[in-house]
Amino acid sequence: LAKTTQPISMDSYEGQEVNITCSHNNIATNDYITWYQQFPSQGPRFIIQGYKTKVTNEVASLFIPADRKSSTLSLPRVSLSDTAVYYCLGLNTNAGKSTFGDGTTLTVKP
Amino acid sequence: EAGVTQFPSHSVIEKGQTVTLRCDPISGHDNLYWYRRVMGKEIKFLLHFVKESKQDESGMPNNRFLAERTGGTYSTLKVQPAELEDSGVYFCASSPLGQYNSPLHFGNGTRLTVT
Repeated sequence: LAKTTQPISMDSYEGQEVNITCSHNNIATNDYITWYQQFPSQGPRFIIQGYKTKVTNEVASLFIPADRKSSTLSLPRVSLSDTAVYYCLGLNTNAGKSTFGDGTTLTVKP
Repeated sequence: EAGVTQFPSHSVIEKGQTVTLRCDPISGHDNLYWYRRVMGKEIKFLLHFVKESKQDESGMPNNRFLAERTGGTYSTLKVQPAELEDSGVYFCASSPLGQYNSPLHFGNGTRLTVT
């Protein structure tokens, strides 16, 4: 299974752009790099997913270099409500299990 | 569409008792997963159902845990007898079959406390 490594915590201020980088040196060929957000007392919530290059949706962008050994989640103009734990993982749902790492606790300050 | 629902949201039981957790996946999702987070540790995979069949149960900690998905709809996870180290949050997730990169949709979990 692809083991992921992320910073344990990050601090930011409202309105700033936040970039969280994840290392996944042994990502499997069929795995999609997937990011989740989790608030206290809730389950992980899907944010964004990509295989290679750049993906953008209404909440975030995901940058994946050609070697796929890392990825960077970019959150534009964060707000206090973006304070949460962010997880990256390699995902191949038909293969079964995925592994969540320790995640990155993002704290957004006013 | 309704999301993944789990019941109960909290459960407090004594060591040695039995508890059954339930998960209702999103309608039409044939993949169903159980995960758990033991306090302070990462979210770990327990098992994966495809419809009513266990595809992978390599994460089940021991034979005190029994998961079922009769009829391929909702799933139950029974812990019998419960031990102190079983305390944690149990998450269920589902996804459609045949889309290997489909994100998992998680429920809000069941917080189990064994005293």
